[in-house]
Amino acid sequence: QKEVEQNSGPLSVPEGAIASLNCTYSDRGSQSFFWYRQYSGKSPELIMFIYSNGDKEDGRFTAQLNKASQYVSLLIRDSQPSDSATYLCAGGGRAGGTSYGKLTFGQGTILTVHP
Amino acid sequence: EADIYQTPRYLVIGTGKKITLECSQTMGHDKMYWYQQDPGMELHLIHYSYGVNSTEKGDLSSESTVSRIRTEHFPLTLESARPSHTSQYLCASSEYFSPRGGNTGELFFGEGSRLTVL
Repeated sequence: QKEVEQNSGPLSVPEGAIASLNCTYSDRGSQSFFWYRQYSGKSPELIMFIYSNGDKEDGRFTAQLNKASQYVSLLIRDSQPSDSATYLCAGGGRAGGTSYGKLTFGQGTILTVHP
Repeated sequence: EADIYQTPRYLVIGTGKKITLECSQTMGHDKMYWYQQDPGMELHLIHYSYGVNSTEKGDLSSESTVSRIRTEHFPLTLESARPSHTSQYLCASSEYFSPRGGNTGELFFGEGSRLTVL
C-alpha cells in the first residue's frame, strides 16, 4: 500500500462546479498535510496546508482533514479553466525517527475544468 | 516567492558524461531534497538532507550522489550519464514542521532541471 494515495483521475468538471479531490494516508504518525498544484512542465506550488482535524478555507479552496479516517480532501469551488492542473497530496511532519519532516507525495490527480 | 534556484534549467548531454545539477537556497532552510519526475508521472524522492554533512537516500533508488557541505547548497552529481537518467530533477527545501513556531514544513521547489541524455 502506498503511503499516500489519491483518488484515481483524471477528473473533469464544468466551469463553475465544485471539484473534489481526495487522499488517504497510511502513516498515523503523519501530522501535516499539503495540497500542491502543478501545471504541466512547472514545479509544484503550495495551495493549502492543514494539520488540525476539520476544515480550513482559503478563498475558493477548502481542505478537510480527518485523522481518525486518515483522509484528506481538497474542494475547489467555482472551478475555473485556470484550475486545470495536476493536484498533489502530501503528508509529513512525523514526530521522531529519521523520517521526521519528510513529505511523502501521492501520485497526483489530473483536474480538467472545461468551459 | 521562494528563493531556491536550480541550474542548469535544461541540459542535453551525451552518454558517459559527468554532470552536476546545482541547487541553492537563500532561506536558511536546514532540510533540502531532490525529486525526480518524468512527464505526467509522480514525484519520486531520490535524496534528502537534514543539514550540513547529512544526506540520505530517498524512496527511489538513484545512481546519483549528493553532498551538503554548506547549508545553502545541495548539488546532485551523476558520474556517468545514461539515457535512463533522462528526466526532470526538482530541488526543494523546507523548515522543520513546528506549528507553534509558525513553520508549516512546506516544501519550496526550484524551477527544475530537465536532463536529456542522448
